Amino acid sequence: GQSLEQPSEVTAVEGAIVQINCTYQTSGFNGLFWYQQHAGEAPTFLSYNVLDGLEEKGRFSSFLSRSKGYSYLLLKELQMKDSASYLCAAMDSSYKLIFGSGTRLLVRP
Amino acid sequence: GAVVSQHPSWVICKSGTSVKIECRSLDFQATTMFWYRQFPKQSLMLMATSNEGSKATYEQGVEKDKFLINHASLTLSTLTVTSAHPEDSSFYICSARGGAGGRSYVTQETQYFGPGTRLLVL
Repeated sequence: GQSLEQPSEVTAVEGAIVQINCTYQTSGFNGLFWYQQHAGEAPTFLSYNVLDGLEEKGRFSSFLSRSKGYSYLLLKELQMKDSASYLCAAMDSSYKLIFGSGTRLLVRP
Repeated sequence: GAVVSQHPSWVICKSGTSVKIECRSLDFQATTMFWYRQFPKQSLMLMATSNEGSKATYEQGVEKDKFLINHASLTLSTLTVTSAHPEDSSFYICSARGGAGGRSYVTQETQYFGPGTRLLVL
């Protein structure tokens, strides 16, 4: 079967660094996406990894290990507005996105 | 980034009526659009994949006669919830993927989401 696992909730302090992990198992693999979703809103695209390694984009970085079926999203210099749900999604062989259940990030002052 | 619009953003209707939701890609041609449903505190569940000019492909457990999908052009897909019932109340989100001809591989393969439509069936 196809599945993605990520923690349900993570709490961190403003200004700190937080890492959100995601493990996946899919039929074929065409990349791993991270999306941010604020309550009541649609997801917004954060990052895409298809090759092993770290992709850095400002305060956000995403890492992928294809051999381990593992990815993480790293958020630096946390701000209050970063409080949201973070969804990892794997693209399978038919180019469909399989979503994880999402990780709620709570940033505290 | 690419822009996808969705209309309406909110719908309240009586049980038994039909509701049409539109999804438009505003600044790119979307060869493929996807329709998702999201219940409170749950992740997105893919309902169907819509390719321009062909019939939609529905996920297992999704009734194609109840959720009618039309993808008449490269910029517009519609989802019609027929004979809506209270259990159909949910957050419906579309996404669009550019495919070949985009500016980069990320743009081609990335799904860009519309703002969503919240449906409440009384």
